[in-house]
Amino acid sequence: TQLLEQSPQFLSIQEGENLTVYCNSSSVFSSLQWYRQEPGEGPVLLVTVVTGGEVKKLKRLTFQFGDARKDSSLHITAAQPGDTGLYLCAGGAQETSGSRLTFGEGTQLTVNP
Amino acid sequence: NAGVMQNPRHLVRRRGQEARLRCSPMKGHSHVYWYRQLPEEGLKFMVYLQKENIIDESGMPKERFSAEFPKEGPSILRIQQVVRGDSAAYFCASSPAFGGPGYTFGSGTRLTVV
Repeated sequence: TQLLEQSPQFLSIQEGENLTVYCNSSSVFSSLQWYRQEPGEGPVLLVTVVTGGEVKKLKRLTFQFGDARKDSSLHITAAQPGDTGLYLCAGGAQETSGSRLTFGEGTQLTVNP
Repeated sequence: NAGVMQNPRHLVRRRGQEARLRCSPMKGHSHVYWYRQLPEEGLKFMVYLQKENIIDESGMPKERFSAEFPKEGPSILRIQQVVRGDSAAYFCASSPAFGGPGYTFGSGTRLTVV
């Protein structure tokens, strides 16, 4: 059974601080996706990484896929209250869609003004 | 270009009743996935369907749960004889037939069993 462990589970920081969320597994994934979920809504895809060592940037968010494709990190620079939400990593057996996703338990981020 | 549409958004059922959850995928998407989310937890895979075919149902409970995606109409997740432990948010996602960067999720159906 493939498992994804996210850390930390909860994170509360002040506006302007930087933070990193980790997603680790003992299994290799062909793709790793990050989602953000707000209360009462479904997850929204932020990024997909497929190549070991790949780094993708989305404004103040930086995503990295580990060389061995077993782990990933999400770094947020100068966090803002609008970044508050549940961040979920999910691993796929294929580089593109067409397979089940294994989700981590999520990191609940709160950015205080 | 509507996204993934799920209905109802909220559903209350008494123990022993049936719950039917509907999901219309994004236009042009032919793959549908159902996930369940318990409070304070991540999403757990339930079933993956294409039109008229179940591709992977390894996450579905063996009893009381079934899913279909007919040639015409939305995908249906059906839960018979609901119990309190079935209370959760059920999310549907869709993806294109071949390739695509990820999955588009609906807003979910919150099932409460009383």
